[in-house]
Amino acid sequence: AQKVTQAQTEISVVEKEDVTLDCVYETRDTTYYLFWYKQPPSGELVFLIRRNSFDEQNEISGRYSWNFQKSTSSFNFTITASQVVDSAVYFCALSGGGGTSYGKLTFGQGTILTVHP
Amino acid sequence: GAGVSQTPSNKVTEKGKYVELRCDPISGHTALYWYRQSLGQGPEFLIYFQGTGAADDSGLPNDRFFAVRPEGSVSTLKIQRTERGDSAVYLCASSGGGGTEAFFGQGTRLTVV
Repeated sequence: AQKVTQAQTEISVVEKEDVTLDCVYETRDTTYYLFWYKQPPSGELVFLIRRNSFDEQNEISGRYSWNFQKSTSSFNFTITASQVVDSAVYFCALSGGGGTSYGKLTFGQGTILTVHP
Repeated sequence: GAGVSQTPSNKVTEKGKYVELRCDPISGHTALYWYRQSLGQGPEFLIYFQGTGAADDSGLPNDRFFAVRPEGSVSTLKIQRTERGDSAVYLCASSGGGGTEAFFGQGTRLTVV
């Protein structure tokens, strides 16, 4: 069975602070994919990033960066110099690369991020 | 359209009634997914279509829930004899298949009174 744990239920920061959202996953698949989605108050899930299990390179996209470590089964997400517009619920998700888990996402519980001006 | 479209955006129904929720995926996307999101929770997988067939329906909670995708594009999620516990946001997503990213619609908020 697959499982995603986001230990932080809520995080509150002041604008321009850096913030890291933690994600730990469990899977028996040797090939899998990890995702981060943002859910603003409007409710639509917005895709942020996808990584496959063979690529542990960290990635940076503007103020966003992701740290994937297979040794600790973690896929953490950092927002640098946070802005009020970053306020949303952030979900980490896992998809299997084959077999019965192929093509479906297991989501974590989500982390509510509030950025205060 | 450019994105995944779900209708209606809101649906209020009485306990025991039948409802249908519609999803129009992104054109050309072969994979389509239904999820259910309860308040304060992450989305939970319901069913996944590859083309016209249900590749995995292991997330459907019981036989009151059924989904179809007869022509491999639009999908309908059908709920019979609705119960108050069915109240949630029902999300639809589509993708090119496999581990490629899924793009989500804005969801249908179902309220059973």
